[in-house]
Amino acid sequence: KQEVTQIPAALSVPEGENLVLNCSFTDSAIYNLQWFRQDPGKGLTSLLLIQSSQREQTSGRLNASLDKSSGRSTLYIAASQPGDSATYLCAVNRYGNKLVFGAGTILRVKS
Amino acid sequence: NAGVMQNPRHLVRRRGQEARLRCSPMKGHSHVYWYRQLPEEGLKFMVYLQKENIIDESGMPKERFSAEFPKEGPSILRIQQVVRGDSAAYFCASSSTSGDTGTDTQYFGPGTRLTVL
Repeated sequence: KQEVTQIPAALSVPEGENLVLNCSFTDSAIYNLQWFRQDPGKGLTSLLLIQSSQREQTSGRLNASLDKSSGRSTLYIAASQPGDSATYLCAVNRYGNKLVFGAGTILRVKS
Repeated sequence: NAGVMQNPRHLVRRRGQEARLRCSPMKGHSHVYWYRQLPEEGLKFMVYLQKENIIDESGMPKERFSAEFPKEGPSILRIQQVVRGDSAAYFCASSSTSGDTGTDTQYFGPGTRLTVL
């Protein structure tokens, strides 16, 4: 059974700091891994998708890496801003398009 | 290009009533997924549908819950005889392909927040 763990559960940083969010999964047989952002009371916004054959993906200030063999992914946020404050979710797609989510990391960027 | 649409955004029901949640996928998407987010818990997969077919319902509670995606119209998640434990946010997602190639992104709607009194 696939299990996804995200560390830390919560993170508070001053504006401008670079930060790393961690995601680990127990079964390395995945098709892809997605990082999402969820704002309070809102839906999920897809940030990055990494295919199983890829090592990393970049979008603006975001960089996601994937080490499938060790069951780990990281989301790197450069020069954090107060607008980055949200819950960040990691989800793996093992097969059958059934996403398995971690519990999320609650990020607060202080101005 | 509208995204995934869900309605209603908020739904209040009394115990024993029925709840109907609707999801219109993104234009061109024929794959729909429902997820549930219980208070203080992560999102959990419920069901995966294509037009007129249920592909995977392994995450659906065995009783009171059903889902459909008809040839015409939105996907419907139906909860009969709701109980307080059904209070949650229900999210719908859609994709353009089955995702087996590893390249497909699931796009999520804003969710329906169900409150059972």
